[in-house]
Amino acid sequence: AQSVTQLGSHVSVSEGALVLLRCNYSSSVPPYLFWYVQYPNQGLQLLLKYTSAATLVKGINGFEAEFKKSETSFHLTKPSAHMSDAAEYFCAVSDIDAGGGNKLTFGTGTQLKVEL
Amino acid sequence: EAGVAQSPRYKIIEKRQSVAFWCNPISGHATLYWYQQILGQGPKLLIQFQNNGVVDDSQLPKDRFSAERLKGVDSTLKIQPAKLEDSAVYLCASSLDRLGGELFFGEGSRLTVL
Repeated sequence: AQSVTQLGSHVSVSEGALVLLRCNYSSSVPPYLFWYVQYPNQGLQLLLKYTSAATLVKGINGFEAEFKKSETSFHLTKPSAHMSDAAEYFCAVSDIDAGGGNKLTFGTGTQLKVEL
Repeated sequence: EAGVAQSPRYKIIEKRQSVAFWCNPISGHATLYWYQQILGQGPKLLIQFQNNGVVDDSQLPKDRFSAERLKGVDSTLKIQPAKLEDSAVYLCASSLDRLGGELFFGEGSRLTVL
């Protein structure tokens, strides 16, 4: 089964600084990869998705992620952090289950704190 | 377009009691998922439906958890009897298709078992 590892359960950056959230996946075959964001007391919202069309994926709110097969990584970045980016971020990998369906497996999440 | 609706948002029960959560997916979405999110962890898939059939329930504790989607639209997740370790947020999600499609999540139902 596929899995993802998110390094750093908590990341703190200053407003205006670069945001880098790390995600590594375990797979020999390029899978579908996702980044979701969760604001307090809300459900998860899709930030961006990798489906092999392009290695650099642009998402909402200025976020982007680069798929690097050689490093089995899919790190999330944003050039300049904003206070509104404070949330929990989840990396996820899509796997095909026994029934041929799409099974999404999430990492443990990274809590992003943005300081003035 | 209306999103995924879940109720109740919050529920507090004592251990050994029962509880039920309801989910109404986005109209036209054939695939419905229930995830369990324990504090400090990522969501874990409990069960996946394709229309009214179960695709994957390998992580569902079947001795106490049950779920149904009888008419292929809304779904109910039940826990009976509840244990302390069932305290979590139960997230419902739906997607248009099964392969690589975006999942749309509801706001979740937060369960506290005392």
